Amino acid sequence: QKEVEQNSGPLSVPEGAIASLNCTYSDRVSQSFFWYRQYSGKSPELIMSIYSNGDKEDGRFTAQLNKASQYVSLLIRDSQPSDSATYLCALYSSASKIIFGSGTRLSIRP
Amino acid sequence: NAGVTQTPKFQVLKTGQSMTLQCAQDMNHNSMYWYRQDPGMGLRLIYYSASEGTTDKGEVPNGYNVSRLNKREFSLRLESAAPSQTSVYFCASRPGQKNIQYFGAGTRLSVL
Repeated sequence: QKEVEQNSGPLSVPEGAIASLNCTYSDRVSQSFFWYRQYSGKSPELIMSIYSNGDKEDGRFTAQLNKASQYVSLLIRDSQPSDSATYLCALYSSASKIIFGSGTRLSIRP
Repeated sequence: NAGVTQTPKFQVLKTGQSMTLQCAQDMNHNSMYWYRQDPGMGLRLIYYSASEGTTDKGEVPNGYNVSRLNKREFSLRLESAAPSQTSVYFCASRPGQKNIQYFGAGTRLSVL
């Protein structure tokens, strides 16, 4: 079992709708979780980090963490064409080790 | 402020050739990382260095070696390149007090 699992997609969402991306993980010790966005041919860029159970909001983005169920999700409200990208879930495993999921490709259709 | 700098940006090798990918950061970060990214595979950790003088294996270390030359520089070496090592390689760094990584622009490597 991979440490971090994501649905590879593609996930197609109409412009203006809510995009919901999910990630599950296997390491119960993990405390820090991240969402990165990666445009084609570019390097990943951090969009959200979350450390505590519950929701964390930043503009149109909301990260949700449930440690008991071992999942973390990202909601994107009012989706825009510029949100079309691959979204990578990552976690801080232990002793400086950071592991990524395989990414979910998101497409926002006009 | 350059951040994380990777060289070269592109490289083509023949099977069996060796090369070193260079990474340098100017943010005084403690930890540095090498990942490879293949289509549909996300980022897979090759090696990492928690601090100057230490290195550890990640998920896919076979066929690679690393050197943490000093706090700024972390190099990745392919001793005998294989077609399976064709990939995009990303270097990243992380400050000690936060778990957020900063990525370089990547090195696109093709092994023929």
